[in-house]
Amino acid sequence: NAGVTQTPKFRVLKTGQSMTLLCAQDMNHEYMYWYRQDPGMGLRLIHYSVGEGTTAKGEVPDGYNVSRLKKQNFLLGLESAAPSQTSVYFCASSTARDRGEETQYFGPGTRLLVL
Amino acid sequence: DQQVKQNSPSLSVQEGRISILNCDYTNSMFDYFLWYKKYPAEGPTFLISISSIKDKNEDGRFTVFLNKSAKHLSLHIVPSQPGDSAVYFCAASASWGNYQLIWGAGTKLIIKP
Repeated sequence: NAGVTQTPKFRVLKTGQSMTLLCAQDMNHEYMYWYRQDPGMGLRLIHYSVGEGTTAKGEVPDGYNVSRLKKQNFLLGLESAAPSQTSVYFCASSTARDRGEETQYFGPGTRLLVL
Repeated sequence: DQQVKQNSPSLSVQEGRISILNCDYTNSMFDYFLWYKKYPAEGPTFLISISSIKDKNEDGRFTVFLNKSAKHLSLHIVPSQPGDSAVYFCAASASWGNYQLIWGAGTKLIIKP
């Protein structure tokens, strides 16, 4: 049982390049999330999904796209990377919410540097 | 505007003593609060939570206190151990909300031997 895994662990991009971050979970969770964490700030939600085939915008969605074609996978895409997207990206998953009470399980993170 | 604030970026505590981490929030609609712990190069892991219908929740060495009138919660760790050295994040959610956890910036706890 690997939990939540993320690939790659680290990536350097040039401005304007594109890339896809992959998140996979083996806990059969319905909900999945993509966050970014920047120095001195809490985690900020980029996009999330409440089930296979569904996605929704979070707090900071601009410049990112996502897809959830399979329940266990959640992809985060950067079509044209910008230096402002240099960050650590975390994926998380959780079971169906009950009155807002949920525990999210996180992957180890992907460190992205955009030059 | 930060809805969840952790005003202490870092805290240093002697091993065996009590660690108290604080968190303030501004949105009165928040009704569920969580603490996560994060080690370097790892993702956050869930530690303890509390619903707004309670004012205290305890799990082993960890206790979370909620003061709704002051919009303040705190995490107590007793006794503090070296393995507790990590960054602690406070997060909040509203049951009416759109699945979003709102996170504080974190407090780095250092346990001194």
